[in-house]
Amino acid sequence: QVQLQESGPGLVKPSETLSLTCTVSGGSISSYYWSWIRQPAGKGLEWIGRIYTSGSTNYNPSLKSRVTMSVDTSKNQFSLKLSSVTAADTAVYYCARDTDPHDAFDIWGQGTMVTVSS
Amino acid sequence: DIQMTQSPSSLSASVGDRVTITCRASQSISSYLNWYQQKPGKAPKLLIYAASSLQSGVPSRFSGSGSGTDFTLTISSLQPEDFATYYCQQSYSTLDSFGQGTKLEIK
Repeated sequence: QVQLQESGPGLVKPSETLSLTCTVSGGSISSYYWSWIRQPAGKGLEWIGRIYTSGSTNYNPSLKSRVTMSVDTSKNQFSLKLSSVTAADTAVYYCARDTDPHDAFDIWGQGTMVTVSS
Repeated sequence: DIQMTQSPSSLSASVGDRVTITCRASQSISSYLNWYQQKPGKAPKLLIYAASSLQSGVPSRFSGSGSGTDFTLTISSLQPEDFATYYCQQSYSTLDSFGQGTKLEIK
């Protein structure tokens, strides 16, 4: 079955760029939509953005100026870059799949904790 | 942007109780409403999609209803493993959004 695994640094300095990768295993990354969702400790879920395997993207307007997503179909991976981070960006970051932008997120990664601190 | 509001924010109930959680959208979202369950330290798990369709493998005590702006998640008879936080999510807009969550605790 398809599984997702987030990877990347667990600690990022303020003002720097957070970079995460999600690796898709057990199936192809092609023809699906892939999202990043984050959750600060003790708080709710925030959708960050979505990328299709063609490279088309949608971003949360509140983060749009700082977010870049990309996809590498040859590696079955997609990535998130969030620039100019502050402590408010400290959260567990999840990657997730949906088959269509109007569908639900049916598969999630286990999540990776990213702390922004000097 | 579409805002999603859940009520209540927290709820205490006993095993065997029937529980209902409500989610309201700031505009009509047709039936593009999904429900997730999240346990501490775990990723959210899809329970209900398209307002009322049960995800494969999810027990039938979970059900969803509603359309337009008002939706409900019902657990017909609470089991010990159901104590968790529940989130609604709209997928009507290409800019997704979640409710703030409802924490279901043991009474």
